[in-house]
Amino acid sequence: AQSVTQPDIHITVSEGASLELRCNYSYGATPYLFWYVQSPGQGLQLLLKYFSGDTLVQGIKGFEAEFKRSQSSFNLRKPSVHWSDAAEYFCAAGFQKLVFGTGTRLLVSP
Amino acid sequence: KAGVTQTPRYLIKTRGQQVTLSCSPISGHRSVSWYQQTPGQGLQFLFEYFSETQRNKGNFPGRFSGRQFSNSRSEMNVSTLELGDSALYLCASSFRGFAYEQYFGPGTRLTVT
Repeated sequence: AQSVTQPDIHITVSEGASLELRCNYSYGATPYLFWYVQSPGQGLQLLLKYFSGDTLVQGIKGFEAEFKRSQSSFNLRKPSVHWSDAAEYFCAAGFQKLVFGTGTRLLVSP
Repeated sequence: KAGVTQTPRYLIKTRGQQVTLSCSPISGHRSVSWYQQTPGQGLQFLFEYFSETQRNKGNFPGRFSGRQFSNSRSEMNVSTLELGDSALYLCASSFRGFAYEQYFGPGTRLTVT
C-alpha cells in the first residue's frame, strides 16, 4: 500500500540550530512529493514540492528538501531555526491524490 | 487575491444528524479537494472535484459526499453523523489539481455529540 512515514512525532531544536525532518515514502514509482506546515488553528501552507529534476529543492521561509531515490526519502532541512518555525510539519506524496504522513511537531527552545 | 474560505468555522451536531460544509476556492481555481484531519487518523483525503466532476475519491463511506458548482464553490455533506466524524475538515483549492500548488482554507471544526 502507498504510504508516507514521518518517524519523528516531536522534535525540539534550539533557536539558531539546524533542523532536519525525516520523511520516507513507499510507492511503486517516485510520486510527487510535498512538505506542508500547519500552525495552530490554521490550514496547511505549502513549503516546497518535488516533481522531477534537481534533487535539492528550495522552498519558502528558508526551507529546502533533498530527494534521495535510493532511500525513498524526502527530508526537510533548514540551516537556522527561528522561534516562529514552531509548528507541525507534514510530508505528503501521491499521483492522483495526496497521502500525508502523520506529522512532526517542531518545538523551538530559546 | 482572497484566499480559500470555509464556512462555518465551527459546528456542533448530534449523532444521526447531517451536516453541510462549504468551501469557496480562490478565484480562477477549478480544483477543490477535501481532507479530514483527526488526532488518531491524521490527514486523510476525502475527494477532489474539478470543473463540477468528482475526479478522485478517498476511502470514506458513502455517508460522505460532495459536489461542486459552476462557480467552483464546493460543498461537502456528511449524513447520519457518528462520533468519529468529529474532525477538522480542510478544503484546498488549486488551479488544476493537487500536483499544482494547493491553497488550504482554515478548516471547519466539526464536533459530534
